[in-house]
Amino acid sequence: EPEVTQTPSHQVTQMGQEVILRCVPISNHLYFYWYRQILGQKVEFLVSFYNNEISEKSEIFDDQFSVERPDGSNFTLKIRSTKLEDSAMYFCASSVGTDSYNEQFFGPGTRLTVL
Amino acid sequence: SQQGEEDPQALSIQEGENATMNCSYKTSINNLQWYRQNSGRGLVHLILIRSNEREKHSGRLRVTLDTSKKSSSLLITASRAADTASYFCATDPTGANSKLTFGKGITLSVRP
Repeated sequence: EPEVTQTPSHQVTQMGQEVILRCVPISNHLYFYWYRQILGQKVEFLVSFYNNEISEKSEIFDDQFSVERPDGSNFTLKIRSTKLEDSAMYFCASSVGTDSYNEQFFGPGTRLTVL
Repeated sequence: SQQGEEDPQALSIQEGENATMNCSYKTSINNLQWYRQNSGRGLVHLILIRSNEREKHSGRLRVTLDTSKKSSSLLITASRAADTASYFCATDPTGANSKLTFGKGITLSVRP
């Protein structure tokens, strides 16, 4: 069964460093998302992406964050200058469509630890 | 209450019993989805119910949706120890560009 994959599974970085989190969405999916979950808290939406553009972004997704689909398979989330509060589990998700067809499948996550 | 709020917060049952988890939300939705998360792991998609659907089944899972009450329930029948996990409802609000809003989750413990 096709699934969303994410690398790395765990990333440790120093405050102020740049990190890139990578995702390979399900191959026939057109819509891509990033969410994060701070330990013990809710899963929070960060950004959605379709047709090489950001569709929607949350207040969390400030200028320090960017997303890219550099080729036909990868979808990346870059954090330019990490802060302690960026420590969280980051989930990538993808879906075939939107609205009633917005069944979002999530990857296993990347645990980001900022020291 | 917030969008996508589950109750109870924690549920402990014996293997073989049924588990019922509830979710309430505030705005109109395109669909509502239930996910399972084992400790520290990824989110596993369980089931999606559209706003024009009232009930849906998948294996031992039964989901209902009452849009007039803005609530949903997830029933797991004949529970197993392997069902022990956190369960989340996520709503796709109308006009929100497919941005899912998650609740805090329900911790289900199934005792063998």
